[in-house]
Amino acid sequence: AQSVTQLDSQVPVFEEAPVELRCNYSSSVSVYLFWYVQYPNQGLQLLLKYLSGSTLVKGINGFEAEFNKSQTSFHLRKPSVHISDTAEYFCAVSGAVRDDKIIFGKGTRLHILP
Amino acid sequence: DTEVTQTPKHLVMGMTNKKSLKCEQHMGHRAMYWYKQKAKKPPELMFVYSYEKLSINESVPSRFSPECPNSSLLNLHLHALQPEDSALYLCASSQRGSPLHFGNGTRLTVT
Repeated sequence: AQSVTQLDSQVPVFEEAPVELRCNYSSSVSVYLFWYVQYPNQGLQLLLKYLSGSTLVKGINGFEAEFNKSQTSFHLRKPSVHISDTAEYFCAVSGAVRDDKIIFGKGTRLHILP
Repeated sequence: DTEVTQTPKHLVMGMTNKKSLKCEQHMGHRAMYWYKQKAKKPPELMFVYSYEKLSINESVPSRFSPECPNSSLLNLHLHALQPEDSALYLCASSQRGSPLHFGNGTRLTVT
C-alpha cells in the first residue's frame, strides 16, 4: 500500500517570492505521483503528474516538481508566486499498476502575503 | 471550466428527504468516482465505477446509493442522511493510468 505525507499544513509566503511545498511518499512498488490544486469553492484541478521518464515535471501556472526516488519525495516549486496562487495543494500517489487507488495527502494551504 | 459537470452546486436537505446528486462527463472515460470532502481535509474515496460496474465501495453507509446509468453519467442517491454527512461531494472520472478529472462538487448541507 502507498502513503503520502505533506509535512506543512500551511505555508505563508510573500508575493513574488519562491515557494516549495513538500511531499514525501512511501510505497513498495513503482508509483505515479500527482499534485492537485483546489481553489475556494471548487473541485480539484491537476497541476502536474509524474508517470515515468524525466524526473523534473513542469505543470500549469508556472509550477514544477521533481521526483526523487532515493528520498521518496515529490516537492512542488514555483519561482515567483502570485496572489492568485492562494489555494489548497494536495499531493497524491498511486501504485503504477492497473486500477490502483489514488491516495491523497492531507493538503497544504498556501497563503500569499501582499 | 471543468469537463466533469455536477448538479446541483448546492443542496440543503432534511434528514427525512430523498435527493440525488448528478455527475456527467463526455471525455469517454470509463472510470467514475464519488469522493466526500470535509472542510480542510483531503477527499475521501466513496465509490468507484469501472465500465459501468461498481468496483469499489469503501464501506459507505447504505444511506448513500450510487448508480451508473451509462458511461457518461453517475448519480448518488441520498436518503435519511445525518448532519455529519454535510460535506462537499466530488465526482471524478479517469481513463486507465491517467489522472483524475474532478467536477466542482455539490455542497451538501443536512439539517
